[in-house]
Amino acid sequence: EAQVTQNPRYLITVTGKKLTVTCSQNMNHEYMSWYRQDPGLGLRQIYYSMNVEVTDKGDVPEGYKVSRKEKRNFPLILESPSPNQTSLYFCASSLSGGIQETQYFGPGTRLLVL
Amino acid sequence: QKEVEQDPGPLSVPEGAIVSLNCTYSNSAFQYFMWYRQYSRKGPELLMYTYSSGNKEDGRFTAQVDKSSKYISLFIRDSQPSDSATYLCAMKKGTGFQKLVFGTGTRLLVSP
Repeated sequence: EAQVTQNPRYLITVTGKKLTVTCSQNMNHEYMSWYRQDPGLGLRQIYYSMNVEVTDKGDVPEGYKVSRKEKRNFPLILESPSPNQTSLYFCASSLSGGIQETQYFGPGTRLLVL
Repeated sequence: QKEVEQDPGPLSVPEGAIVSLNCTYSNSAFQYFMWYRQYSRKGPELLMYTYSSGNKEDGRFTAQVDKSSKYISLFIRDSQPSDSATYLCAMKKGTGFQKLVFGTGTRLLVSP
């Protein structure tokens, strides 16, 4: 089954404790991205990657890091989480980012930073 | 001012009603327009996309773009309780690796 998986689905952590949210897709997609979704603000792009070792900042990259060492994986790293990073996070992938290609979203990771 | 504005709702309608969901935008460079549906505790899924102005129909769903007014709409005919979800509009300036800009989403509730 074609899918994007994220882990963990739910996470409660404390300020400053490094964490990684994993994202994996099994569709051989080139394009992957991370979004955060907040009430009243909608989906905002954090980082995106056009292929292995090619990443770039989205709208709200501060406080986040990413890496793309393999085509299927695109982890999101919070080196020193803060309460304003409490949010719902989505990973997404598509074949090449084109308009006519479906962008598949993962199930989301709900993060609470205390 | 946000680039894309969308009424958060909730919009409550009875089963069988025609639903109209709308977004306005400020950047005339947007050319590609999409509607995503997001069920509770799930990621968004692409419903429809349109290019430039005009209408596009897919079953009970019709997407409409009016670039002169910077206004897009999604119509749902014969709405069903299974249509209850949050609907997000999204748009981008071109093909390829262009950033998607999302609206905040409208929550739709269809009661039996």
